Amino acid sequence: NAGVTQTPKFQVLKTGQSMTLQCAQDMNHEYMSWYRQDPGMGLRLIHYSVGAGITDQGEVPNGYNVSRSTTEDFPLRLLSAAPSQTSVYFCASSRGGAGEDEQYFGPGTRLTVT
Amino acid sequence: GEDVEQSLFLSVREGDSSVINCTYTDSSSTYLYWYKQEPGAGLQLLTYIFSNMDMKQDQRLTVLLNKKDKHLSLRIADTQTGDSAIYFCAETPNTGGFKTIFGAGTRLFVKA
Repeated sequence: NAGVTQTPKFQVLKTGQSMTLQCAQDMNHEYMSWYRQDPGMGLRLIHYSVGAGITDQGEVPNGYNVSRSTTEDFPLRLLSAAPSQTSVYFCASSRGGAGEDEQYFGPGTRLTVT
Repeated sequence: GEDVEQSLFLSVREGDSSVINCTYTDSSSTYLYWYKQEPGAGLQLLTYIFSNMDMKQDQRLTVLLNKKDKHLSLRIADTQTGDSAIYFCAETPNTGGFKTIFGAGTRLFVKA
């Protein structure tokens, strides 16, 4: 199993540009989520999905859209990038909801918005 | 509100024990976790403890939970240079839904 994969690893955007961060998992996990990591702060949940076709907002959803058309993929879209979205983005998946089910994290995408 | 706090840095000598501390605010939390993040990588679950336990030991790792004080600690025995990383404390509040609250992370430096 490849686990959780994310592309790209690095990205630089100009303010106002849009892009999609890709996330895929091959473990047949129902739960997937996107977090952002900023210096001196813990991970903050952006959006999550409890199964194909079902998504919900996390703690900091503004400026981001998600969709879950398949179990494997959970892309994160930045509609109009802003410098405040400069961050490291992590995708995670788990078999079930938080609890005994371990969340598996991807390697991250480092995004800079100028 | 829900919050998880931990000190940002810890420095120890190789071979010594490391103790990383964390406090949380939600007394209803059912699971508490320790994650490890190595440079340039995602988080990896190290261990977790269920709220009805006081202690959990796994090889060099010992997790202690004081529910009264809402205090969680991670002790790493015989710390090695490979243990240098950021350690995140996290909790799952018992509010239903899918939510894990992460602390800001403690950066552990191990000096040879």
